[in-house]
Amino acid sequence: GAGVSQSPSNKVTEKGKDVELRCDPISGHTALYWYRQRLGQGLEFLIYFQGNSAPDKSGLPSDRFSAERTGESVSTLTIQRTQQEDSAVYLCASSFRTGNYGYTFGSGTRLTVV
Amino acid sequence: KNEVEQSPQNLTAQEGEFITINCSYSVGISALHWLQQHPGGGIVSLFMLSSGKKKHGRLIATINIQEKHSSLHITASHPRDSAVYICAVRRRSDSNYQLIWGAGTKLIIKP
Repeated sequence: GAGVSQSPSNKVTEKGKDVELRCDPISGHTALYWYRQRLGQGLEFLIYFQGNSAPDKSGLPSDRFSAERTGESVSTLTIQRTQQEDSAVYLCASSFRTGNYGYTFGSGTRLTVV
Repeated sequence: KNEVEQSPQNLTAQEGEFITINCSYSVGISALHWLQQHPGGGIVSLFMLSSGKKKHGRLIATINIQEKHSSLHITASHPRDSAVYICAVRRRSDSNYQLIWGAGTKLIIKP
């Protein structure tokens, strides 16, 4: 597609439920990033995918968080047993390879855990 | 002390004013990004710099590697420029994709 597409745009879930967030990067962008932005705070790195290489999961805050990406296509971020502190906007970005290339961000998924 | 500092944190100006947002960093970098986040949350990548100066429309970004400082300028500012402007750097010693994010500068342009 023309941009990075994320779905859903908004998600309200009950504490303890699992949620799955989806990111569809720009075609040809081999690098994909997930970030989290809590209200009033900066961007927090979660996970990075580059092609078929093993992802860097060093930013995932707990083992309740996991992400997958098949090849260079869609990625899903899964949060199990959601907690209220998981409430945030989850942003996905993609770029053409790594190195000094610009990022294109999706519009984010606003997750609210009640 | 944060490795990336932005100033000011908040800036309110009148339409038409020349705007400058500053970013200072304390680490060796391979690139610096300026991004714009609109009130709805969408983030747009404005510039990526490793040296010198770039211009796009009314936006100008400069970087001084020796002084570890970058500025984002907006000429003839307009209310639609109201957004949070974020500076982020790629630390030279880190993996190629890791960014260190500034806290952002909230800009409000009044008509």
